[in-house]
Formats: sequence, structure tokens, C-alpha cells
Amino acid sequence: AQRVTQPEKLLSVFKGAPVELKCNYSYSGSPELFWYVQYSRQRLQLLLRHISRESIKGFTADLNKGETSFHLKKPFAQEEDSAMYYCALLLSGNTPLVFGKGTRLSVIA
Amino acid sequence: DADVTQTPRNRITKTGKRIMLECSQTKGHDRMYWYRQDPGLGLRLIYYSFDVKDINKGEISDGYSVSRQAQAKFSLSLESAIPNQTALYFCATSGGRGTEAFFGQGTRLTVV
Repeated sequence: AQRVTQPEKLLSVFKGAPVELKCNYSYSGSPELFWYVQYSRQRLQLLLRHISRESIKGFTADLNKGETSFHLKKPFAQEEDSAMYYCALLLSGNTPLVFGKGTRLSVIA
Repeated sequence: DADVTQTPRNRITKTGKRIMLECSQTKGHDRMYWYRQDPGLGLRLIYYSFDVKDINKGEISDGYSVSRQAQAKFSLSLESAIPNQTALYFCATSGGRGTEAFFGQGTRLTVV
């Protein structure tokens, strides 16, 4: 079965410091990878998807098939980035969207 | 208006009671999902449906059932609620591969 691993439950960084939220997946094919974010008291919303290769709110993520990783990065963290971040995986065919356990990012002023 | 609406937003119920959580979406998507969110465990899939006649179990379906009443409606039932079903429940919908999933605002369920 496919699996998404986010090794850090909590990540605390100072404002202005670089951020990297790790995501690894176990699947040998061509998955779709996503990052979703949940701000305090709000619903989950899409932050990034690998097929778009875009930068949203200063965040980027590159799919590394060799390392089966999709780490989320931002060069300079802001206080408003504090939130829960989930990596998600979608395989080909009729398979459901599967999430990792999430990483809570806390940006300290 | 929200694309995905869940009712109720909060509910406290007693052990052994039957409870239904409802979800409706206006995105016109075929795929709908129910997840539960627990601290440290992330989002775990309970059930999913890819069209009105399709129902599939997720990783934690025991103790739950679902009904897909229409393309826009997907309800989750707890036949006999127990305290370890206390959690935040999310409904989501998507258009399938290559598309974004949209989430409801969540239902906070407490079983006492």
C-alpha cells in the first residue's frame, strides 16, 4: 500500500530562517504529490501540487523520484506561515488521496 | 458560500448513540471522502466514493458506515458511538487525478 511519511511532528524556526518540511513516499510509480495547509481554525486548503511546479506564498516543493521525496521549502519563514502542513499522495487509477501525519510549523518572532 | 459544507459543526453525543454527519458539495465533483483528524495521527481515511454507486472502505472504516445519496451528498454514520471516535471529521471532494481536493470546515464530535 502507498504510504506518506512526514518524519517531524513539530518544527519550530525563527522568523526569517529557512524552512524545510520533509515528505517521503513509498511508491515506485508516478504519483501525484500535494502539500495542503491548515491554518488555525480553518479548513485544509491546497498549497502546492508537484505537477504545477509553482511557488505559492514563497513555498516551493520539488518531486525527487530517486529519493521518493517531496520536501516543502521556503527561504525565509514568516509568522503567518505557522500552521499544520500535510503532504498527500494520489496514485494512478481509482485510488484515494492519502495523507501523511502532518507537521506543525511554528515560526517564532 | 462554501464549496463543501458539513453539518453539524460540533456535536456531543453519548456512548451507544447513533449519529450521522452530513456533507454536501457544490463543486460538481464525483469523488468524495471522509477523514478523521487526531493529534499526532494526521488525516486518516474512513470511506471514499468515486460516484453515486461506488463506496469504498478506507484504512479505518470499522465502526462507521456511509451513504452517497446523490453526487453532491455523502453522509457518515456512527451506528453505536464510542469514546475513541471522539475526533475532528472532515469531508472532502475532488475531481480526480490532477485536481485539487476541497475540504469542509470539519465536524468536531465528542462521544462521552
